[in-house]
Amino acid sequence: QQQVKQSPQSLIVQKGGISIINCAYENTAFDYFPWYQQFPGKGPALLIAIRPDVSEKKEGRFTISFNKSAKQFSLHIMDSQPGDSATYFCAARGGTSGTYKYIFGTGTRLKVLA
Amino acid sequence: NAGVTQTPKFRVLKTGQSMTLLCAQDMNHEYMYWYRQDPGMGLRLIHYSVGEGTTAKGEVPDGYNVSRLKKQNFLLGLESAAPSQTSVYFCASSLLWREQFFGPGTRLTVL
Repeated sequence: QQQVKQSPQSLIVQKGGISIINCAYENTAFDYFPWYQQFPGKGPALLIAIRPDVSEKKEGRFTISFNKSAKQFSLHIMDSQPGDSATYFCAARGGTSGTYKYIFGTGTRLKVLA
Repeated sequence: NAGVTQTPKFRVLKTGQSMTLLCAQDMNHEYMYWYRQDPGMGLRLIHYSVGEGTTAKGEVPDGYNVSRLKKQNFLLGLESAAPSQTSVYFCASSLLWREQFFGPGTRLTVL
């Protein structure tokens, strides 16, 4: 199964709160899991990424938690700010060298209230 | 460095018309991709290329053709536009299968 299921579809958080976005996958052959941030009218930009041999990766206020046995991974945004308001996509890379493809989740629209 | 650029930014077509979207990258990346983004659907891969002169089909290739005559350019063609092809199109490039860098997108409306 090549799908990556992302939830919630939209999220509203107060400034200073924690934003949590979840993704689930079926294909155990996926080997790289990036998160992308997209502002209106712009292309997606890589935010943070993790490999399945690591359970957590933190970069500033952004943390990926990875649960290999549950085939789930999530993005946590600590101390959420209005400037974090954007659409977030999770993705998973699958295939073999020379044929890798990225499967994207359907996106989560985050709004952080001032 | 301009990164990944896309031309045009907006376009309106009538059903049956054809057009070409141009993607250019100045990062010397081998791999280039075309995606379409539709509400609630995320990003879906149309075609991709792993090097100059090579192309391959992605998840939703029907109705589109591509060409990679130069390493820095990846063209997406619509042979006979249909309303179902109304979408935002993103080009991306990457160094091998690593991080993808996306362009700003082309908003296409087919009437």
